[in-house]
Amino acid sequence: QQQVKQSPQSLIVQKGGISIINCAYENTAFDYFPWYQQFPGKGPALLIAIRPDVSEKKEGRFTISFNKSAKQFSLHIMDSQPGDSATYFCAASGDGNKLVFGAGTILRVKS
Amino acid sequence: KAGVTQTPRYLIKTRGQQVTLSCSPISGHRSVSWYQQTPGQGLQFLFEYFSETQRNKGNFPGRFSGRQFSNSRSEMNVSTLELGDSALYLCASSSWTADRGEQYFGPGTRLTVT
Repeated sequence: QQQVKQSPQSLIVQKGGISIINCAYENTAFDYFPWYQQFPGKGPALLIAIRPDVSEKKEGRFTISFNKSAKQFSLHIMDSQPGDSATYFCAASGDGNKLVFGAGTILRVKS
Repeated sequence: KAGVTQTPRYLIKTRGQQVTLSCSPISGHRSVSWYQQTPGQGLQFLFEYFSETQRNKGNFPGRFSGRQFSNSRSEMNVSTLELGDSALYLCASSSWTADRGEQYFGPGTRLTVT
């Protein structure tokens, strides 16, 4: 049973544009929502994370928006660059360090 | 600090064999979690170890097991390998204290079962 639904599966954005990836969850016990970036042949790298007591968190060009009532959260990548081309995973945790991952979004930034 | 290291990076095994994968966490991190990544099932949690004790377990058969040593290094073992066990096995470490810890992943071990 997929507990975290991620969309879109793939995304093509022009250089300088905004990339938006969305995730929805069902389990209200989740209280920690990280995003990971993965390049081919590498392990996932923690990008940014949010907890449900805030609605937005920004780190550089990356912003998480969180809507607790809708049980949704999203990643915005501003001024997208070709080097941002990677697979992005949202995740959620509510049981220790057990992360439940979304299916992933393959982002391609065209130069 | 050095990152999470995993050995070996690549492994080819035959059905029915068993395999042991190793993970060294970031220095000072006491929690080690293991994940399986496949194109079909994505990233799935296997288990977590903290202070040499399994603290959490995912929905995998008993053929998958793990352990953690006093220096926080961890190993996972898969017995009676099946073709479907071919995957990237990822280890993540966390400086777990009283709150949810940020997890940092290693590069993974690519296991191919033939």
